[in-house]
Amino acid sequence: DTEVTQTPKHLVMGMTNKKSLKCEQHMGHRAMYWYKQKAKKPPELMFVYSYEKLSINESVPSRFSPECPNSSLLNLHLHALQPEDSALYLCASSPTGTSGNQPQHFGDGTRLSIL
Amino acid sequence: AQTVTQSQPEMSVQEAETVTLSCTYDTSESDYYLFWYKQPPSRQMILVIRQEAYKQQNATENRFSVNFQKAAKSFSLKISDSQLGDAAMYFCAYRGPGGTSYGKLTFGQGTILTVHP
Repeated sequence: DTEVTQTPKHLVMGMTNKKSLKCEQHMGHRAMYWYKQKAKKPPELMFVYSYEKLSINESVPSRFSPECPNSSLLNLHLHALQPEDSALYLCASSPTGTSGNQPQHFGDGTRLSIL
Repeated sequence: AQTVTQSQPEMSVQEAETVTLSCTYDTSESDYYLFWYKQPPSRQMILVIRQEAYKQQNATENRFSVNFQKAAKSFSLKISDSQLGDAAMYFCAYRGPGGTSYGKLTFGQGTILTVHP
């Protein structure tokens, strides 16, 4: 079973729509991550939250807006996306962001298609 | 900047045989962590094995083991007694020491492993 839960599993949206991706973990982890992954490519880091504060933004376009309402929940708000934003969006968590040997635990991802 | 290189885009193995996936990395740090993740078609990234750079002993997890050569900056994954369920894309990943990197992972390009019955 996946300890990091992502919803929805699939999402199709038009370029003018507003939608949100949700990620939830109940492992008590305090670091959470959003990745974008294209087919047969490695995940690309988008955002890192540490103790509910945005710690890293990898120069992601403003049409992607992350939110961390509490230590268990991470959202990614989407608005005015482009066709090239179609990808698998992965969420991950780790106990903290500062101890190196703690692996990240990944969710199953949301497959996003932009029409 | 750290880089991770997986030179084998695709590999194949017969069921029950052994296969080795290669990974090299570049870093100026002396303390760091290395991981192998597996991503089957089901999409979830699953941790296979991890290695701390300060440990000389190679990590082992059941049928999975690594050959960690710190001086050569090499971190290969050996899968013994391959099973059909091992078929997946395998990513090698580097993580620097703790602190302001917030656990950021640098991934290699991945190796697609096919297991033949």
